[in-house]
Amino acid sequence: DQQVKQNSPSLSVQEGRISILNCDYTNSMFDYFLWYKKYPAEGPTFLISISSIKDKNEDGRFTVFLNKSAKHLSLHIVPSQPGDSAVYFCAASETGANNLFFGTGTRLTVIP
Amino acid sequence: DTAVSQTPKYLVTQMGNDKSIKCEQNLGHDTMYWYKQDSKKFLKIMFSYNNKELIINETVPNRFSPKSPDKAHLNLHINSLELGDSAVYFCASSPTGTGVSPLHFGNGTRLTVT
Repeated sequence: DQQVKQNSPSLSVQEGRISILNCDYTNSMFDYFLWYKKYPAEGPTFLISISSIKDKNEDGRFTVFLNKSAKHLSLHIVPSQPGDSAVYFCAASETGANNLFFGTGTRLTVIP
Repeated sequence: DTAVSQTPKYLVTQMGNDKSIKCEQNLGHDTMYWYKQDSKKFLKIMFSYNNKELIINETVPNRFSPKSPDKAHLNLHINSLELGDSAVYFCASSPTGTGVSPLHFGNGTRLTVT
């Protein structure tokens, strides 16, 4: 029962262009959403988060958008850089819970 | 100065053996976790500990047992290893429950059971 889904296993983007990574969830109780970035042989690293009271959160080149009615969130990276090449995981949780549900990840490749 | 460190990084062992993976965090966090990433790259929680109290156990076989000697450590013991236990195991910590703060992960332990 996968409550968080990332349907695109991979994405390739030219350097300088926008990368858009998508994520869908099924549990309407989720109210806290995160994106993690993972390099090979390392653990996931927190990138950016958003709570359900917002529909957008921005941090430098990274912006997360949340569409609660569609149960959909996306991560925009502008401009994309080769160092952004990694696997990106979407995750979701309920406030007060101690479980973070992860998607299966999208491998982003930024082509120089 | 690693925030969440786990050892060993790689572990190769035979079926039926008992093994342990150690985890330490120096962030002063209250909650620690073990996650398993299977062959399909699906990251799923196994356990979490808050102030030495187990607060989640997600239908994990009782061959797996977390041990927390203090707030900074959460070790994972696995008895009678099976082929299906082969995976990457990640330790993580957070200041409070996941609903309000992100997790900080270790670099993972790749367990291979032959």
